[in-house]
Amino acid sequence: DTAVSQTPKYLVTQMGNDKSIKCEQNLGHDTMYWYKQDSKKFLKIMFSYNNKELIINETVPNRFSPKSPDKAHLNLHINSLELGDSAVYFCASSSGQGSSVETQYFGPGTRLLVL
Amino acid sequence: DAKTTQPPSMDCAEGRAANLPCNHSTISGNEYVYWYRQIHSQGPQYIIHGLKNNETNEMASLIITEDRKSSTLILPHATLRDTAVYYCIVRVEKGRDDKIIFGKGTRLHILP
Repeated sequence: DTAVSQTPKYLVTQMGNDKSIKCEQNLGHDTMYWYKQDSKKFLKIMFSYNNKELIINETVPNRFSPKSPDKAHLNLHINSLELGDSAVYFCASSSGQGSSVETQYFGPGTRLLVL
Repeated sequence: DAKTTQPPSMDCAEGRAANLPCNHSTISGNEYVYWYRQIHSQGPQYIIHGLKNNETNEMASLIITEDRKSSTLILPHATLRDTAVYYCIVRVEKGRDDKIIFGKGTRLHILP
């Protein structure tokens, strides 16, 4: 009964490939997020979706394309992978009801290594 | 940029109270203080949040100064499992475009 789940947990791939990471939440939340944590451990938001609508796009290269088929899923597709894309990617969700009291729940992370 | 300042690391003996400070001198009147932690190789975990009053839950206590320019997270009886990076966060937006901006956090080592 994991609240926020991500697949795969580990992803090793060659430079130039295209890959996808999937995220699902069973909390009934309206808002989902993708964060990137680099080798220096800085955790930065990339995208947020509210009820399948893109809300936040933090100047991420357009090689990264989030897709939300429904409000319980937010997938991240990455084209033409580069060495600098190696990082841990975290998915998160929140109720997204516009309240100032919002807690985000994070998934376990996907460790991406580009060779 | 994060609106908070935290010490990069702290040590605490197991069983003792861990007090983690955070400065947020530019906090606005309607901004909340949130604390998250990240245990090694896991996703961040919500701990507690507050606006003006001190708060307590099953995990920790949050003490916010009267001028709201700083706060302290208290883990009353630290255990080895509390070893993690602790992030103090001030909410920068509200509503649908809300986002959490994580700073560098404090790496807390619980010593046996």
